[in-house]
Amino acid sequence: GENVEQHPSTLSVQEGDSAVIKCTYSDSASNYFPWYKQELGKRPQLIIDIRSNVGEKKDQRIAVTLNKTAKHFSLHITETQPEDSAVYFCAASFNKFYFGSGTKLNVKP
Amino acid sequence: GAVVSQHPSWVICKSGTSVKIECRSLDFQATTMFWYRQFPKQSLMLMATSNEGSKATYEQGVEKDKFLINHASLTLSTLTVTSAHPEDSSFYICSATQGTLNTEAFFGQGTRLTVV
Repeated sequence: GENVEQHPSTLSVQEGDSAVIKCTYSDSASNYFPWYKQELGKRPQLIIDIRSNVGEKKDQRIAVTLNKTAKHFSLHITETQPEDSAVYFCAASFNKFYFGSGTKLNVKP
Repeated sequence: GAVVSQHPSWVICKSGTSVKIECRSLDFQATTMFWYRQFPKQSLMLMATSNEGSKATYEQGVEKDKFLINHASLTLSTLTVTSAHPEDSSFYICSATQGTLNTEAFFGQGTRLTVV
């Protein structure tokens, strides 16, 4: 099956700084790459996604980039806020969703 | 947005008994449902994929006789942990997609299973 690797496992930034989380995948058939945010005790929620026919997508302070050739994609959060603190998961999908190991983001006020 | 409801939220059972967890899509028809297991501070490990009316597809290393999955309708999938052991204690979470391939997966709230 697909193997998704995610780095870093923890990330601590100062409020207002940017945060970048990187993922790689192994299966070239994967064509859908969502990012989920999971707050403590809550279910994962989709924050942004990208399909393989697009290289970059942006939604306000959040952006995702995809390099199909290198099989890696990244999440960029600008102007971080304390409420961005959570665990973020990347996923790669072709019919099934395989998740990365998660990044615990801590935004310090 | 689409809502997925999972029940129960938590359950404690004795070793050797079976436990059933339900995953329901409340306002859409879920063509595919996924079952995950999440260990503390770890990722979502895909256990199986189920499509309505057909047998579930299990990931490598997941015992199909231990984790019985039934997807009897477009709005309900169940996971039954049979002959539970303490090592089965974990957080189980389902997700569902609707319609076309590679669209957003909506998650249930998860079930905390403790086997004593």
